[in-house]
Amino acid sequence: QKEVEQDPGPLSVPEGAIVSLNCTYSNSAFQYFMWYRQYSRKGPELLMYTYSSGNKEDGRFTAQVDKSSKYISLFIRDSQPSDSATYLCAMSARGNNRLAFGKGNQVVVIP
Amino acid sequence: DARVTQTPRHKVTEMGQEVTMRCQPILGHNTVFWYRQTMMQGLELLAYFRNRAPLDDSGMPKDRFSAEMPDATLATLKIQPSEPRDSAVYFCASGLVWTGDSYEQYFGPGTRLTVT
Repeated sequence: QKEVEQDPGPLSVPEGAIVSLNCTYSNSAFQYFMWYRQYSRKGPELLMYTYSSGNKEDGRFTAQVDKSSKYISLFIRDSQPSDSATYLCAMSARGNNRLAFGKGNQVVVIP
Repeated sequence: DARVTQTPRHKVTEMGQEVTMRCQPILGHNTVFWYRQTMMQGLELLAYFRNRAPLDDSGMPKDRFSAEMPDATLATLKIQPSEPRDSAVYFCASGLVWTGDSYEQYFGPGTRLTVT
């Protein structure tokens, strides 16, 4: 079993819809939770970061962490065609700069 | 606008040839990571350095891969001999870590390697 599981299935939504992405993990030592966005043929870029459990909102993006269930989510409200990208979850343990990544979800927002 | 740069951006080579990929981290960053991305495995950490010293290369096939930081502005990843299964996109990322934890890694554009 991989440390981080993310269903890589592509997701197509109409413009303006809410996009919901999630990851599960097995390592209870993970404390830092991140979402990276990767456009086609580009490197990943940090989108959201959350420490421990809770919610974090940044504009149209909301990240949620439920450590008791080992489950993290990313929500994109009012999705735009420019949100079309692959979204990767990543996490790390305290004192360890290694990031464990999910496989990524390809999101396509249809105008 | 500080960025991680990688060369070459694309590389096509024949099986058995040596491949060298280069990375220039963001000036002032003290941690450098090498990743490999494939459709099957996703993004995998190969090795990382702190202040030019290798901290972890457990993700790297030791018999054919080697990673070095000859100086603070250059990291290299070498494959010798290359095999078709090495075909992937190789990313370099850099970050700044002093005390405590840092989650921010800045990725380069990647080197797309094809081994025939």
